[in-house]
Amino acid sequence: DIVMTQSPDSLAVSLGERATINCKSSQSVFHTSDKKNFLGWYQQKPGQPPKLLLYWASTRESGVPDRFSGSGSETDFTLTISSLQAEDVAVYFCQQYVTVPPTFGQGTTVDIK
Amino acid sequence: QVQLRESGPGLVKPSETLSLICSVSGGSITTYYWSWLRQSAGKGLEWIAHFHNTGGTIYNPSLKNRVTMSGDTSNNQLSLRLTSVTAADTAIYFCARGRLSGSWYEFNPWGQGTLVTVSS
Repeated sequence: DIVMTQSPDSLAVSLGERATINCKSSQSVFHTSDKKNFLGWYQQKPGQPPKLLLYWASTRESGVPDRFSGSGSETDFTLTISSLQAEDVAVYFCQQYVTVPPTFGQGTTVDIK
Repeated sequence: QVQLRESGPGLVKPSETLSLICSVSGGSITTYYWSWLRQSAGKGLEWIAHFHNTGGTIYNPSLKNRVTMSGDTSNNQLSLRLTSVTAADTAIYFCARGRLSGSWYEFNPWGQGTLVTVSS
């Protein structure tokens, strides 16, 4: 299985400041046929299921604010929240889906400083 | 819009079989890929299996010997059976759909989840 490792495990950011979460995969998640990185980012708030924010590493799901952006390729990826809002307090997960089984990172908790 | 709702017993005894249902409304299970996932403090988020009405079912190799997923198109429901459960199977169990009809593992939407505790 592909192991997904996120860093840091938690971070606290002031309102309006940038939050950056890193995700590293144990092998490339680039899908050679589709020429896309099969990497997704999810947001999970307490008592709720995860919510898909980004797919193909950088494509925002419909309705996701543009302060959320993704970058990276192959094995190294980043989720950036450009200007943290109070409603962004949550746990964030990366997920690869280039191979079966799809696997998730351990999660990064984002809080307000 | 499509909605998913998981249901099942909240408590299962060790060595017994866990059975869950995912009821789908606002869309048909005859299209899209549908998955079961679980989330526990020990293992985090773990994909269990997916079902496609014409494409069949695929299981996580780590659970393959104990798990069965099926679809009931008459009732628009998905089911999950997990045999010989242990405390390690204690988790919140979610059902989820692929984002697009051809999406296997871009999970959107998800059900709210159901907590299953394995204990005597």
